[in-house]
Amino acid sequence: EIVLTQSPGTLSLSPGERATLSCRASQSVSSTYLAWYQQKPGQAPRLLIYGASVRATGIPDRFSGSGSGTDFTLTIRRLEPEDFAVYYCQHFVTSVTFGGGTKVEIK
Amino acid sequence: QGQLVQSGAEVKKPGASVKVSCRASGYTFTNYYIHWVRQAPGQGLEWLGMINPSGGSTTYAQKYQGRVTLTSDASTSTSYMELSSLRSEYTAVYYCARGTYSHYDLGHWGQGTLVTVSS
Repeated sequence: EIVLTQSPGTLSLSPGERATLSCRASQSVSSTYLAWYQQKPGQAPRLLIYGASVRATGIPDRFSGSGSGTDFTLTIRRLEPEDFAVYYCQHFVTSVTFGGGTKVEIK
Repeated sequence: QGQLVQSGAEVKKPGASVKVSCRASGYTFTNYYIHWVRQAPGQGLEWLGMINPSGGSTTYAQKYQGRVTLTSDASTSTSYMELSSLRSEYTAVYYCARGTYSHYDLGHWGQGTLVTVSS
């Protein structure tokens, strides 16, 4: 079973700064089924990125995804107040796996 | 685009079972797998399994094999998640979700159902 490890656990940044979130797979995985989600307290997760780098409909272009093999990255170019949340990566092979999450908090 | 609406909160005693429903509308129910994801208080997301509403085939997370049963009823566009032999650690919000661009990128989510296991 593939394990996804996200780092850092918590990222403390100010609005306007750049956020770089990492998702590392325990073995090489296909980019086709690598996705990123944002979750705010009391809400269901929201799909941001699928196929490792494709923004879902309605997602602002300050969000971008990249990577391949075992290392994937979600970048938020300039943090807006509404971007402070928890972010999860997710992958599917024969089953679905989520990473442990990165909390982006206001510094 | 469609939506998923889940049944309401449940309080159960240890050892009991719970069945949560997820009713789909606004899209062709049999075109997309339904996934179930749990989130314990203050914790991350954990995948339980998925069902193909067209035919009913299922895939479960290894950890929940034999503990979770997923079913679907195409006549009512509803999927069900039953969790048996409840323990306090199964207290969580349970979500149903479906793919958007593929079966596996979960772009549509239910509102979540809180299941509390307490004696």
